[in-house]
Amino acid sequence: QQQVKQSPQSLIVQKGGISIINCAYENTAFDYFPWYQQFPGKGPALLIAIRPDVSEKKEGRFTISFNKSAKQFSLHIMDSQPGDSATYFCAALSSNTGKLIFGQGTTLQVKP
Amino acid sequence: DAGVIQSPRHEVTEMGQEVTLRCKLISGHNSLFWYRQTMMRGLELLIYFNNNVPIDDSGMPEDRFSAKMPNASFSTLKIQPSEPRDSAVYFCAMRGTRGSGANVLTFGAGSRLTVL
Repeated sequence: QQQVKQSPQSLIVQKGGISIINCAYENTAFDYFPWYQQFPGKGPALLIAIRPDVSEKKEGRFTISFNKSAKQFSLHIMDSQPGDSATYFCAALSSNTGKLIFGQGTTLQVKP
Repeated sequence: DAGVIQSPRHEVTEMGQEVTLRCKLISGHNSLFWYRQTMMRGLELLIYFNNNVPIDDSGMPEDRFSAKMPNASFSTLKIQPSEPRDSAVYFCAMRGTRGSGANVLTFGAGSRLTVL
């Protein structure tokens, strides 16, 4: 069951550019939407997260935009840097079940 | 991932052999998750425990897979018999215990399994 759909599968951005990754969910019971960042050989690590009562959250160069009516959310990386090259996963959690469901992942490459 | 120690980091085995993956939590937590990562299917939730009890194992692919959590600091994922399609990276993760941390999963570094 693909409850969280993520796109694109891969993304190449020039240094200084904006990286945008999109996700859509189906289950309206989800009430927490984190993004995880994964470097090769490492486990995913929490990057930034948002709750559905907020339309936008910004932490440094990273911003989540959330559209509850469309059941979509996106990650924007401003001024992308080569060190941002990693795989990014969106996810959705239902507090009732405690299950965290991940999107398919996006491999980001930022070229110098 | 300092709080979640997985072993082995890499395992290569032959089809039909039993595989046991281990997860040790440095400080005990009441929620533990096992995920499997492949290129084709991404990160799949296999099973998760709360207070050492399996809550949802609907993601376990088939009866060849089993998981246990005998105490708050340790869990195993066993595959018997293993098959080449089980080749993947298996992650263990623990959940925070209070406040906003309760929704955060901390992952181990993973166990890369190759079944020949």
